[in-house]
Amino acid sequence: EAQVTQNPRYLITVTGKKLTVTCSQNMNHEYMSWYRQDPGLGLRQIYYSMNVEVTDKGDVPEGYKVSRKEKRNFPLILESPSPNQTSLYFCASSSLTGTSYEQYFGPGTRLTVT
Amino acid sequence: ILNVEQSPQSLHVQEGDSTNFTCSFPSSNFYALHWYRWETAKSPEALFVMTLNGDEKKKGRISATLNTKEGYSYLYIKGSQPEDSATYLCAHSNAGNMLTFGGGTRLMVKP
Repeated sequence: EAQVTQNPRYLITVTGKKLTVTCSQNMNHEYMSWYRQDPGLGLRQIYYSMNVEVTDKGDVPEGYKVSRKEKRNFPLILESPSPNQTSLYFCASSSLTGTSYEQYFGPGTRLTVT
Repeated sequence: ILNVEQSPQSLHVQEGDSTNFTCSFPSSNFYALHWYRWETAKSPEALFVMTLNGDEKKKGRISATLNTKEGYSYLYIKGSQPEDSATYLCAHSNAGNMLTFGGGTRLMVKP
């Protein structure tokens, strides 16, 4: 089954404790992206990657890091989480061939930083 | 930051009504316009991706049009059903593949 998986789905942590949210896709997609969703602000892009070893900042990259060492994985790293990073996070992937470009979203990770 | 705006923010309709919402975006540096359907407690699902001015796409009772010159897209739902209740998101992508989402239109269809 074609899918995007994220882990963990729920996480409560404390300020300053480094964490990683994993994202993996099995569709051989070139493009992967991270978003955060906050009430009243909609979905905002954090980082995206157009292929292995290629990453770019989105609208709200501060406080986040990403890496793309393998095509299928795109982990989101919070080196020193703060309460303003409490949010719902989505990973997504899409193909860059053809003309579709539709994004496939993961199930979301709800992060709470206290 | 690119401004993608959707209207209305929310909409209540009766089952069987037809409805439409608007997505507006700056027409410069345009590459594609996406529409997604997002049900509560689920992940957004793609409805359409349109790239050409004048594009029209249809999936069942849902259709969309695109005007890149004036910077707007319409999403239409014909004969709304309760299962159409969801938030509908549009997103603009530029040539660099950075996506900017609008705030969404929350549709509630009453039986």
